[in-house]
Amino acid sequence: AQTVTQSQPEMSVQEAETVTLSCTYDTSESDYYLFWYKQPPSRQMILVIRQEAYKQQNATENRFSVNFQKAAKSFSLKISDSQLGDAAMYFCAYRTTNAGNNRKLIWGLGTSLAVNP
Amino acid sequence: GAGVSQTPSNKVTEKGKYVELRCDPISGHTALYWYRQSLGQGPEFLIYFQGTGAADDSGLPNDRFFAVRPEGSVSTLKIQRTERGDSAVYLCASSQLPGQKGTEAFFGQGTRLTVV
Repeated sequence: AQTVTQSQPEMSVQEAETVTLSCTYDTSESDYYLFWYKQPPSRQMILVIRQEAYKQQNATENRFSVNFQKAAKSFSLKISDSQLGDAAMYFCAYRTTNAGNNRKLIWGLGTSLAVNP
Repeated sequence: GAGVSQTPSNKVTEKGKYVELRCDPISGHTALYWYRQSLGQGPEFLIYFQGTGAADDSGLPNDRFFAVRPEGSVSTLKIQRTERGDSAVYLCASSQLPGQKGTEAFFGQGTRLTVV
């Protein structure tokens, strides 16, 4: 079974600085998706960035980028030029690409990010 | 609608009562998911609908939990004989047709269920 591990329960960063959130996962599959979601106090999960395992190039979305190390099964999120609005819980998630009925997301425990002014 | 809508936003119920949680997905999304998020945890999968049918209900914890989606749009999660351990945020998400690689799931704001 696949598992997702986030080993940093809490992180903090100064406004305008850079922070990296860690995520490791375990799977026997060769093709899959990895996601980072942001959950502010409003509770709504917001997709931050997505990586397809068969793509070697790291995904980027404006100030957000990932360091995807497939062999090491590592998927870290880098937030550059941190803003106060980035403060939230961040969840790493895994999903198979299997076209069958196994379409659920498997989640880590989350990292609470505080941004200090 | 513009996004996934979940009602009620908050629900307080007494132990042993029956509750229904509603999810209205994004129009045109055929896939619908329910997750449960306990305090300090990541979401846990409950059930996945493709159209009207439950394609995967392996996450439902026991037979007190049941979900329906009779017309392939709105879904209702039903919990019988609620227990204090059922207290959690129940998240609903929807996505477009499966088989399209990379279709992301859009989430509602969840229903916070408190069983007292």
